Amino acid sequence: DVKVTQSSRYLVKRTGEKVFLECVQDMDHENMFWYRQDPGLGLRLIYFSYDVKMKEKGDIPEGYSVSREKKERFSLILESASTNQTSMYLCASSPPSGGRGELFFGEGSRLTVL
Amino acid sequence: AQTVTQSQPEMSVQEAETVTLSCTYDTSENNYYLFWYKQPPSRQMILVIRQEAYKQQNATENRFSVNFQKAAKSFSLKISDSQLGDTAMYFCAFMNFNKFYFGSGTKLNVKP
Repeated sequence: DVKVTQSSRYLVKRTGEKVFLECVQDMDHENMFWYRQDPGLGLRLIYFSYDVKMKEKGDIPEGYSVSREKKERFSLILESASTNQTSMYLCASSPPSGGRGELFFGEGSRLTVL
Repeated sequence: AQTVTQSQPEMSVQEAETVTLSCTYDTSENNYYLFWYKQPPSRQMILVIRQEAYKQQNATENRFSVNFQKAAKSFSLKISDSQLGDTAMYFCAFMNFNKFYFGSGTKLNVKP
């Protein structure tokens, strides 16, 4: 089975702190994604990556950056956390476009910024 | 831009009954995929069912089936013989060129 592992299920940070959210997948997928999930808004794409060192902005990239140094790992970085970044963050991976397009998700990281 | 709309924020159904969750989408593309994902409380999001836009036949997976109306841009999910384990958030999603767009979700409560 595909496994997508997010490093932390729950985090509490203070305003202004730098936050790292790590995601690792074990199925050699080219594509990896970071989403933010908020009630009533569904999932919104922050960034995605289709190859090592490649990244593209999603719909809400402001305040976030990403890093993909290895194929299996995709990190989301909040350079200076703010209270409006309190949310659930979901990492996902998928095979290349020749596949059937299914996204495989991690369990999520619930971030609270105080 | 692609948009996905789920107009039912919350629904309830009695165990063993049938329920239909609605989803509409907007796109100018002709080739795409549609999905329903399930997110149980405090658990991982998993795929329920997938539909390729070029296929006219509606997808089915055991108790789950879809009604795909391409011209109307509608993609509803029918759950038959609802079970307590079906209680979850359900998200409709559209995929084209590796980009996924999600609806706002429908919270389904299955009552005993």
